[in-house]
Amino acid sequence: NAGVTQTPKFQVLKTGQSMTLQCAQDMNHEYMSWYRQDPGMGLRLIHYSVGAGITDQGEVPNGYNVSRSTTEDFPLRLLSAAPSQTSVYFCASSYGAGGANVLTFGAGSRLTVL
Amino acid sequence: AQTVTQSQPEMSVQEAETVTLSCTYDTSESDYYLFWYKQPPSRQMILVIRQEAYKQQNATENRFSVNFQKAAKSFSLKISDSQLGDAAMYFCAYRRRYGGATNKLIFGTGTLLAVQP
Repeated sequence: NAGVTQTPKFQVLKTGQSMTLQCAQDMNHEYMSWYRQDPGMGLRLIHYSVGAGITDQGEVPNGYNVSRSTTEDFPLRLLSAAPSQTSVYFCASSYGAGGANVLTFGAGSRLTVL
Repeated sequence: AQTVTQSQPEMSVQEAETVTLSCTYDTSESDYYLFWYKQPPSRQMILVIRQEAYKQQNATENRFSVNFQKAAKSFSLKISDSQLGDAAMYFCAYRRRYGGATNKLIFGTGTLLAVQP
């Protein structure tokens, strides 16, 4: 049982480049989300999805795009990378969006934009 | 809007001693969950303990326990018999029980715990 798998673990980009952070879960979770972690700011929600074909914006969505074509996968796309997007990114999933559902996190992806 | 505040950016404890990490939150909701997550240097987010707001009994998981004061909106984490492996960043988090699709997990800014041998 792999849980939540994120790739890549590390990535360095130049300003203006695009890339996709991959997230896959094998727990049949309906709810998936992306957070970014910055020093002194905790984790902030970027985008989330409550099922295949359904996505919505979180707290800090600008510069990011998501899609959910299958239950298992929830990729995060950076359209034109900026230094402000240097961060650690976490994918997390749960059975549902209710508070009783514990989020399972991936191992994180450290992104540096030069 | 709900907020979570951790006022201790860093804490230190001697091995085998007890330490308490503080967390306060603000919400107008009455039904919610509170969490403590541990993030060691590996970056992995690990759930330490969970408290349901409607349960008066404080949650306990082995050496980890909480002091949940609902009226004061306070949710502290006590680590007993601290071990070197407890050294990590600890995040307090809040989530409403119900809230539809927008029900996000709200995090505090974290407390970095060092354990001295």
